Amino acid sequence: AQSVTQPDIHITVSEGASLELRCNYSYGATPYLFWYVQSPGQGLQLLLKYFSGDTLVQGIKGFEAEFKRSQSSFNLRKPSVHWSDAAEYFCAVGVGVNDMRFGAGTRLTVKP
Amino acid sequence: GAVVSQHPSWVICKSGTSVKIECRSLDFQATTMFWYRQFPKQSLMLMATSNEGSKATYEQGVEKDKFLINHASLTLSTLTVTSAHPEDSSFYICSALDRGSEQYFGPGTRLTVT
Repeated sequence: AQSVTQPDIHITVSEGASLELRCNYSYGATPYLFWYVQSPGQGLQLLLKYFSGDTLVQGIKGFEAEFKRSQSSFNLRKPSVHWSDAAEYFCAVGVGVNDMRFGAGTRLTVKP
Repeated sequence: GAVVSQHPSWVICKSGTSVKIECRSLDFQATTMFWYRQFPKQSLMLMATSNEGSKATYEQGVEKDKFLINHASLTLSTLTVTSAHPEDSSFYICSALDRGSEQYFGPGTRLTVT
């Protein structure tokens, strides 16, 4: 069955520390992969996406993600977290843009 | 970048009444729009895919007679929650698909049914 898993419901990091949010998927073929961020009461903003090519993808706000086919993973990283990064992060996958499924989300808290 | 708006941003209605939520693509045409529902602290669940000029495609378990979707133009899709009940209270988010095949999300509409 097709699925998207974000193993961490909630992560707390100190401001300036590095961050890695995990995402694993189970699909019949390599899907399109996305990371979105959602601030409280807001819609979703696309951070980055992977369709094909270079497996290390650079996004906005200093985020990057690496697609690892062997691990069926697409983890999101940031070398130094800012307080404004506190939000909910969603990994999404789909075999096409008309077929997007979201993970359960990871809530990021940033400590001063 | 492409902008998608939703109106209203929040609405409170009484049980048994109907509520209409609008989703507009402001600077691009969208032949396809999507409606999602998000419960508190949970992920987005796709409710339906809205195609301009044709009937919406609903996901399994979504009542099409309760959640009426109309996509009358290339920039507007509406979701009407009919005979709303407290369990319909949720955050509803739409997205629009541009020609580049990227989904742009609206800011969401919080519906509270009392």
